Order: sequence, then C-alpha cells, then structure tokens
Amino acid sequence: GAVVSQHPSRVICKSGTSVKIECRSLDFQATTMFWYRQFPKQSLMLMATSNEGSKATYEQGVEKDKFLINHASLTLSTLTVTSAHPEDSSFYICSASHSRGSTDTQYFGPGTRLTVL
Amino acid sequence: QKEVEQNSGPLSVPEGAIASLNCTYSDRGSQSFFWYRQYSGKSPELIMSIYSNGDKEDGRFTAQLNKASQYVSLLIRDSQPSDSATYLCAVTLSGNTPLVFGKGTRLSVIA
Repeated sequence: GAVVSQHPSRVICKSGTSVKIECRSLDFQATTMFWYRQFPKQSLMLMATSNEGSKATYEQGVEKDKFLINHASLTLSTLTVTSAHPEDSSFYICSASHSRGSTDTQYFGPGTRLTVL
Repeated sequence: QKEVEQNSGPLSVPEGAIASLNCTYSDRGSQSFFWYRQYSGKSPELIMSIYSNGDKEDGRFTAQLNKASQYVSLLIRDSQPSDSATYLCAVTLSGNTPLVFGKGTRLSVIA
C-alpha cells in the first residue's frame, strides 16, 4: 500500500513552453501533497504544500505564477512549470501524506526529470 | 529556524557490519520522525517511521528515538552493498506539515 505515482517520469521541452507534471496517490486519499525540487548532488528543496480544494502554500523564493499547483481531488495534484527555461531543469518529486489513525506518513513519487533546452 | 542535523559522511562500513546513522533536531514540538533512503538519481524511499521514545525494529533496520535528547538514529544490521545510498532523516510536527530534512548521510558498504 501507500503508492504514489508521477507522470511523466522524464520530459524534455523547449524553452518557453509549459510542462505539466501529475502526482497521484494510487491506493489512498491524500488531503495534503508536497512538491520538491532537487538539483544534482543537492538536498531536496520544498517548493510548495498542496491542499485539496484550496490554494497551495509556496515556500519563500518560489514563484507561484511560474509553478502552478492544482490539487483538485484527494488523489491528484498537478504542478505546471510555465514558460520553462533551462534553469528550471531539475528533478521534481512529489510526496503525499497518508493518514493511518493518529499517525501521518509521507510517501514519495518516483520523480520527474525535466530538461529544458 | 527548524533544523535537522546529520553527518554528511561518507560513512564506510564493511559488508556484514552494523551501520549507525545519527540525527539531531531542533524543534521540540516535532512529533513524527522518519528515515528515508535515496539512491542516486531516484526519489526518497521510506525505510522507517517512529513516533514514540524507544526502539522500533523492522527486519535489519532499527530506529531509535530519544525526544529528551532530540536525537534519532538508524541502525542497519548485516549491511549489504545494496544498502549503499544516502540516508535522509526527516521530522515533522504532523503529517500535514512539511517534512524538515537533514542533508543526508552517504553510506558506503564495502564488499
């Protein structure tokens, strides 16, 4: 149980285009999902917290108009990188919070590797 | 500022030995504690979760939590080369608040 998927796993796009990444909790409902970015040999960086049915909360320094997050259902959150540029090339990873009784555990998706040419 | 501190390593252990990974955290309000394993180029994978003081064992892994000392550890018994990865310690106030990660400890198990 507690499987999180991401699609696509890898995407290459031209500068100026937009890319949508989907994050799905396959066997549980997730009120809260999180989006991270990781550059090579660096730590995970939290971009935003996504709550079902409400606006995402962005971390300081993350442009909300550039990284659009939609959490329209309890099993799906999407991240759209708008007008992508080469500096947006990175490994984007989502996680979903799975509640069992009084405990909550975050499970990560497999990640999406974005390359902007 | 909520912080999680880990020794970045690399920690090298011979195959079959016990690997000991340590982590301290600054926020006394933290309620949930996790160890994730991350292989190069992959996303983090949950290894252990622990919520109360003491030890929790799962196969070759044992997590230890001491809230008074604000200390979490992970022991890996009978270490295997496949255990070579970066181990991330993470803490959170609750499941709906973001995890605070340490920078990770790189473990290398030598065959």
